[in-house]
Amino acid sequence: QSVLTQPPSASGTPGQRVTISCSGSSSNIGSNTVNWYQQFPGTAPKVLIYSNSQRPSGVPDRFSGSKSGTSASLAISWPQSEDEADYYCVAWDDSLNGPVFGGGTRLTVL
Amino acid sequence: QVTLKESGPVLVKPTETLTLTCTVSGFSLSNPKMAVSWIRQPPGKALEWLAYIFSNDEKSFTTSLKTRLTISKDTSKSQVVLTMTNIDPVDTATYYCARMTYSAGWFSHFDYWGRGTLVTVSS
Repeated sequence: QSVLTQPPSASGTPGQRVTISCSGSSSNIGSNTVNWYQQFPGTAPKVLIYSNSQRPSGVPDRFSGSKSGTSASLAISWPQSEDEADYYCVAWDDSLNGPVFGGGTRLTVL
Repeated sequence: QVTLKESGPVLVKPTETLTLTCTVSGFSLSNPKMAVSWIRQPPGKALEWLAYIFSNDEKSFTTSLKTRLTISKDTSKSQVVLTMTNIDPVDTATYYCARMTYSAGWFSHFDYWGRGTLVTVSS
């Protein structure tokens, strides 16, 4: 049981905007920034979004992040087939004194 | 160029102690703006943070495994070592080490990850 809650799956077509949610509590998302990671099968995760909405260099601008209260969202505009992967949200938890992960969301591009 | 590389046994027997080493390059384990974490992922399941160690030797462990984990570092060798005692088949997973970056004293994100090492627990 992950501390942060994500839907297990999400899907969309290249013409749509897909959103993946991440729900937490006051001790994690409510008081700290959120990161998002992309993971392809058999490979290590890669940071996609940090500090709620910042993109590292090289990450396409069709990926965007936002946070409100104790929830966060990752949006993927015009998803491409190469975006099919697992996505994880992460935030520091003040009560646990460590980072906590979401359960991951598998994105399918139809 | 920052790299992290995990090493350790591929197969471990139940009740044994697992020792994993993360060898880093491109940065120093004494850098006060960074720490190193261990994270694992059972086959087909989600990522789970296990432990971190900071430059000043500050450590923290996930609550459920606190009694079974130790973490240490050897700055001169650029290595972070994780040990897990009383290993069980449910501990079968890919174990990653990852660098944590901090901004203004607060955790920012995991910016570099190792490729991971799959550890299977079986008799």
